[in-house]
Amino acid sequence: RKEVEQDPGPFNVPEGATVAFNCTYSNSASQSFFWYRQDCRKEPKLLMSVYSSGNEDGRFTAQLNRASQYISLLIRDSKLSDSATYLCVVKATFAGAGSYQLTFGKGTKLSVIP
Amino acid sequence: DTGVSQDPRHKITKRGQNVTFRCDPISEHNRLYWYRQTLGQGPEFLTYFQNEAQLEKSRLLSDRFSAERPKGSFSTLEIQRTEQGDSAMYLCASSDLRQGAGNEQFFGPGTRLTVL
Repeated sequence: RKEVEQDPGPFNVPEGATVAFNCTYSNSASQSFFWYRQDCRKEPKLLMSVYSSGNEDGRFTAQLNRASQYISLLIRDSKLSDSATYLCVVKATFAGAGSYQLTFGKGTKLSVIP
Repeated sequence: DTGVSQDPRHKITKRGQNVTFRCDPISEHNRLYWYRQTLGQGPEFLTYFQNEAQLEKSRLLSDRFSAERPKGSFSTLEIQRTEQGDSAMYLCASSDLRQGAGNEQFFGPGTRLTVL
């Protein structure tokens, strides 16, 4: 089982649609969770962190279920500019104190169509 | 521009040649990471430095790969005797370990390596 698994995609949705991405992780010791966005041929950029209580940033809502080891991202009222690959990212510590590693999922490609 | 920079942005080389990439992190960031990303995959961790110390290396980092950060500022990643399977985007990221800094990793634009 891969450490971080995401919906394979691609997702092709019309403008204004609501789209949800799912992600599961295998390491129960994972501590922090993020969604990164990566535009074509660009570097990944942090979209938002994911907190246990769920969190919202404008049209974006992230949720975490630690018991199920499941993370989600909901995008409401999709815009053309939301077209990108969305990467689910999990942070876990190494054996050494203070050391940690980010593990990325493969990403889910979203295309918002006019 | 005070973000992470990488050089070169593109590198085409023949199999068997050595290549070296450079990363300049955000100036006050004490942690620096190297990742590799192939088409259709997310970035995969290779190694990271805290100041000049290389603290972790992935099993992906074969003995043909070596990374340095001699003065705790810029870093280099060298690949010796390149193979076609080394073709990928090599991403560098940096973060600030200081208390309250958030630890977000900021990525550079990457170096795209093509091994012919």
